[in-house]
Amino acid sequence: AQSVTQPDIHITVSEGASLELRCNYSYGATPYLFWYVQSPGQGLQLLLKYFSGDTLVQGIKGFEAEFKRSQSSFNLRKPSVHWSDAAEYFCVVDGSGGGADGLTFGKGTHLIIQP
Amino acid sequence: SQTIHQWPATLVQPVGSPLSLECTVEGTSNPNLYWYRQAAGRGLQLLFYSVGIGQISSEVPQNLSASRPQDRQFILSSKKLLLSDSGFYLCAWSSGASVEQYFGPGTRLTVL
Repeated sequence: AQSVTQPDIHITVSEGASLELRCNYSYGATPYLFWYVQSPGQGLQLLLKYFSGDTLVQGIKGFEAEFKRSQSSFNLRKPSVHWSDAAEYFCVVDGSGGGADGLTFGKGTHLIIQP
Repeated sequence: SQTIHQWPATLVQPVGSPLSLECTVEGTSNPNLYWYRQAAGRGLQLLFYSVGIGQISSEVPQNLSASRPQDRQFILSSKKLLLSDSGFYLCAWSSGASVEQYFGPGTRLTVL
């Protein structure tokens, strides 16, 4: 069965500093990979996705993520965070090839931005 | 463009009372629809999904049920709420041609 691990429950970053959120997955083949963001009390917004091709993908709000097959990782990065980036971030895997019940969510990383 | 609505936004219900949460999608046809529950610190749990009218698949046995009376309407129900049903309920949709899901704003349910 596929699984997703986000090893950091909380991360605190100063405004303007760089950010990297870690995500590791377990799956026999290369799954579809996503990062979602959730602001407090809101739904989830898709930041970016990886299906195939270039392993560095660009998303909205200045985020990017890099797929590393050898490490089974899909880490999210941003060169300079803004206070509005404070939110919960979820790494998501789909190993079903698009089946309706295929998404597996990580438990999330809570990002805190210090002034 | 497509939009997804959920209501109510918040709900406080006593234990043993019934529940009905509604989700509707605009701007697309024959979407896949999903109900998730998000409990504090536990990520998202898929409860139900539907690939068409009247077609419901349950992922977790519980006292909740789902129905899809129309193509773009998805309803989550319960006959008798439990304290453990408290949480944040999210509806999502995807198209048959894509994998990514798009989420609604959610309903915060508190069972007292």
